Amino acid sequence: RKEVEQDPGPFNVPEGATVAFNCTYSNSASQSFFWYRQDCRKEPKLLMSVYSSGNEDGRFTAQLNRASQYISLLIRDSKLSDSATYLCVVSLMAAGNMLTFGGGTRLMVKP
Amino acid sequence: GAGVSQSPRYKVAKRGQDVALRCDPISGHVSLFWYQQALGQGPEFLTYFQNEAQLDKSGLPSDRFFAERPEGSVSTLKIQRTQQEDSAVYLCASSLALALPLTGELFFGEGSRLTVL
Repeated sequence: RKEVEQDPGPFNVPEGATVAFNCTYSNSASQSFFWYRQDCRKEPKLLMSVYSSGNEDGRFTAQLNRASQYISLLIRDSKLSDSATYLCVVSLMAAGNMLTFGGGTRLMVKP
Repeated sequence: GAGVSQSPRYKVAKRGQDVALRCDPISGHVSLFWYQQALGQGPEFLTYFQNEAQLDKSGLPSDRFFAERPEGSVSTLKIQRTQQEDSAVYLCASSLALALPLTGELFFGEGSRLTVL
């Protein structure tokens, strides 16, 4: 079983739609959580951190459920430019300094 | 530029060849990571340096993989006797902080795409 699991998609949505991705992680001792975005043939870039209380950044909302060990990302009012792969990421200090990435969920926003 | 620079961007190797991939991190960044990303997969951790010290190499898939960062700046990932399963994008990332920052922000290079024939 992979440490961080995501539905690979693709999620095909029209512009303006709301779309949500979930991610589950296996290690209950995981301490920090993030969403990264990766455009086709480009490097991953940090999108946002995920806090226990939930956090919002413009059209993006991230939630963490520690009891169920899942993380979510909600994108409202989808734009064509949101088309990318979204990587769920966790870190565990006991494992050193590495970030553990999920396999990514591909989003395609259509006109 | 001011970002993480990797070379070569593309490398085609015949099975059995040795390859060397270079990473120039952001100036002053203490932490340096190598990740391997296969097609359609997320990045998989290979190894981590803090300055010149290799503190974690648990992700290196075999003893054919070797990484170094002798002066605490530029790093090289070497793969000996390449196999077809080594075909992937090799991503280098750096971070300013000694410990993984709470922001979780690693700055990645664009990667070196290795194809082994």
